[in-house]
Formats: sequence, C-alpha cells, structure tokens
Amino acid sequence: ETGVTQSPTHLIKTRGQQVTLRCSSQSGHNTVSWYQQALGQGPQFIFQYYREEENGRGNFPPRFSGLQFPNYSSELNVNALELDDSALYLCASSYPGTTYNEQFFGPGTRLTVL
Amino acid sequence: AQSVSQHNHHVILSEAASLELGCNYSYGGTVNLFWYVQYPGQHLQLLLKYFSGDPLVKGIKGFEAEFIKSKFSFNLRKPSVQWSDTAEYFCAVIHSGNTGKLIFGQGTTLQVKP
Repeated sequence: ETGVTQSPTHLIKTRGQQVTLRCSSQSGHNTVSWYQQALGQGPQFIFQYYREEENGRGNFPPRFSGLQFPNYSSELNVNALELDDSALYLCASSYPGTTYNEQFFGPGTRLTVL
Repeated sequence: AQSVSQHNHHVILSEAASLELGCNYSYGGTVNLFWYVQYPGQHLQLLLKYFSGDPLVKGIKGFEAEFIKSKFSFNLRKPSVQWSDTAEYFCAVIHSGNTGKLIFGQGTTLQVKP
C-alpha cells in the first residue's frame, strides 16, 4: 500500500509569483485535504477535495485554490505569493464512510517565499 | 471560533519520567479527538483517536489519552518516556459531521534527555 506522497519537497519562490504543489493520495482514498503549517504552529486547514469538488474551506483567501483529478491526486495553487505564505504545506488523504475517517498525512512541501 | 489549546509548548523530561500533555478544545457539540506525533524529519503520524465509547483510549508506543467531556479535555499520557519519544505532539479535533476540517493545537515539543 503506497502512502501519501507530495512534490516537490522544497521550493523557493519570490513574492508575487505563483506556485503549484502536488499530492498523490494513499491507495483507495478519494478525499484529499490540504493544510498550512507555519513555523512553530499547528497545521491549519486550507480546503478539502472529494470526488473532484471542493468540500469545505478554511479561512484562506481565494488566491489559494485547488484541483482534484479523477485518480484522486490533487494540486494546491497559490497565486500572488506573499512572504507569510512561507510554510510547510501538508496534504492528507482519507476515505469518508470508514468508521474512523482517519486522515493520513504526507511528508509536506516546504515553501519559502523571498 | 472553535479552537484547540495545548498548555505546554516545550517540555523537557528525563528518560523514565512520566508524561502528561494537556489539550482543551472549545466546542460544545460532538467531537472526534486525535493526537498526532511528528518525529524529527518525519511526517505527521496518528498516535491515537477517540470517537465514542470508553473515554480512556490507548494508542501506539504506550501512549494513552483520556477524554473528559465536562472539562473539554483530551490529555495525552505515557507512564515512562523514552529518548525516542522526542518529537512534536499535536492535539486535533474534528466536529462530528464535519469530516474534513481537522483543527490542530499549536503543538508541544517534547525533548527527552537520555
């Protein structure tokens, strides 16, 4: 069973640029959630995708957007990058309907905005 | 707004000492509760979870947690810590019926001295 994978591992961008982060969900999981973890903080929920539709969103501006593909992999796009967007971006996959609806996390993408 | 509060930001213990990490949440409805651990250089892993039933739940590596509904608490405990328990620990909550949005505390860094 393949776990959640994310790419790239690290990324450096400059303010104003756009970035795309990618996530492959764990085998059999059809739901992907994205989180932002700033240094010294707990992860904050950005949004969730279920069957290619956004299924819940946290307190993030519209320049944070996402996609989910038919194979359940997902992308997180951030436009007009700001310095405060520097963080670890985590992807988690799950399968709704199971007893515990546990989310399995990937290793994250470390984004640095200069 | 719903939130999760972890009382200790940084805990230093010697091996064999007992551990208790505090966690309180601010939601009065039905919740599902989790403790995640992040070992140095590794991704978030689930330690244990509470959904219903016995409020004392046991997780991996000898950890346990007790859900006290009247106190909105879900404290993590381990009778005897090991050096390998050095990690960051996150308490998290999902409101029942809101399957996507894990709300995390800001984390507790545990350092175990050999």
